Amino acid sequence: EIVMTQSPATLSVSPGERATLSCRASQSVGSNLAWYQQKPAQAPRLLIYGASTRATGIPARFSGSGSGTEFTLTISSLQSEDFAVYYCQQYNNWKTFGQGTKVEIK
Amino acid sequence: QVQLQESGPGLVKPSETLSLTCTVSGDSINPYYWSWIRQPPGQGLEWIAYVYYSGRTNYNPSLRSRVTISIDTSNSQFSLSLTSVTTADTAVYYCARGNRHDVFDYWGQGTLVSVSS
Repeated sequence: EIVMTQSPATLSVSPGERATLSCRASQSVGSNLAWYQQKPAQAPRLLIYGASTRATGIPARFSGSGSGTEFTLTISSLQSEDFAVYYCQQYNNWKTFGQGTKVEIK
Repeated sequence: QVQLQESGPGLVKPSETLSLTCTVSGDSINPYYWSWIRQPPGQGLEWIAYVYYSGRTNYNPSLRSRVTISIDTSNSQFSLSLTSVTTADTAVYYCARGNRHDVFDYWGQGTLVSVSS
């Protein structure tokens, strides 16, 4: 099983600032990496797939990068609606999720 | 607009079988695959299984021995069966669609299933 490790567990950011979230895979997943956003009592929402392609309707302030084992999700200027938990997920071999990064208001 | 809706009991006794159904509306069942994903309270996400419109299935190795997923294309539904449940199976269970990019683009709202006597 490919283990996905996200850091940090919690990120405190002020509105308007940049947020950088990391995701590491225990072995290479190529570009088969997605990011999801989850708000309290809601289902996850697909943000990014293929490591860097935004899903339909996702604002340009969300960007993804990386390949192999190291990936990054960047939110260029945090809006109030962006405070949530973010999960990475690999789909190169079965499907496994990271444990999540909570982005909270500083 | 694609919509998924989970249905099934919210409470299951230990050692019994958890059964859930997801009803899909707003789009065809094919050519996608359909999945179950769960989230224990306060924890992360765990993929359980998926089934293609063709009936081909794939299971999380850690749950394979207890899980069956099936699809009913005529009624746009797919189902999950999880046997011999324990309190560790208490979770919000989501159904989701896997698209041509192999990611989950539509999700149900989730249903909480508690395992308790």
